[in-house]
Amino acid sequence: KNEVEQSPQNLTAQEGEFITINCSYSVGISALHWLQQHPGGGIVSLFMLSSGKKKHGRLIATINIQEKHSSLHITASHPRDSAVYICAVTGGSNYQLIWGAGTKLIIKP
Amino acid sequence: EAGVAQSPRYKIIEKRQSVAFWCNPISGHATLYWYQQILGQGPKLLIQFQNNGVVDDSQLPKDRFSAERLKGVDSTLKIQPAKLEDSAVYLCASSPQGANEKLFFGSGTQLSVL
Repeated sequence: KNEVEQSPQNLTAQEGEFITINCSYSVGISALHWLQQHPGGGIVSLFMLSSGKKKHGRLIATINIQEKHSSLHITASHPRDSAVYICAVTGGSNYQLIWGAGTKLIIKP
Repeated sequence: EAGVAQSPRYKIIEKRQSVAFWCNPISGHATLYWYQQILGQGPKLLIQFQNNGVVDDSQLPKDRFSAERLKGVDSTLKIQPAKLEDSAVYLCASSPQGANEKLFFGSGTQLSVL
């Protein structure tokens, strides 16, 4: 079992829909990262959080430490949000970065 | 603020040749990472530096890959000799002090080994 699990693996939605991507982890962590990668593009860090909730524009990230779960929400989704969204945690025995497999999001106009 | 700089952007070589990639992290960032991302997969950590010391190189194929960060600033990653399976995007990232802080990524170097 992977230490960081994301769901869904793939998500296709219509423009304007509310999007939720989930991340569960099984190790002790000190931080959780949400990152975005566009096709052929580099990786951009969206959020780093260790508790509670963060918001940036149409993006919201939440984390529940007790349940070892985080969600990334996108409100009023747009085709330009189409990308791979990756959850990564700083944790494990040596507090290195452990990556999830990513969620491929496609927003159709 | 200047971002993480990587060069070259693209590189095409034949198998058994050598290749080197360069990364200049954000000024003042102590931690530097090199990742390998094969098409369709997530990034795989090759090596992590803290200043000029190696924190983790457990997944670096040391028979052919080497990396250095001599002055604790910019870094080079070398492959010698290259194999077909080394075709991937090589990403450099930096953070102020380790993985408990926000990561900043370069645009990557896309390597094709023919």
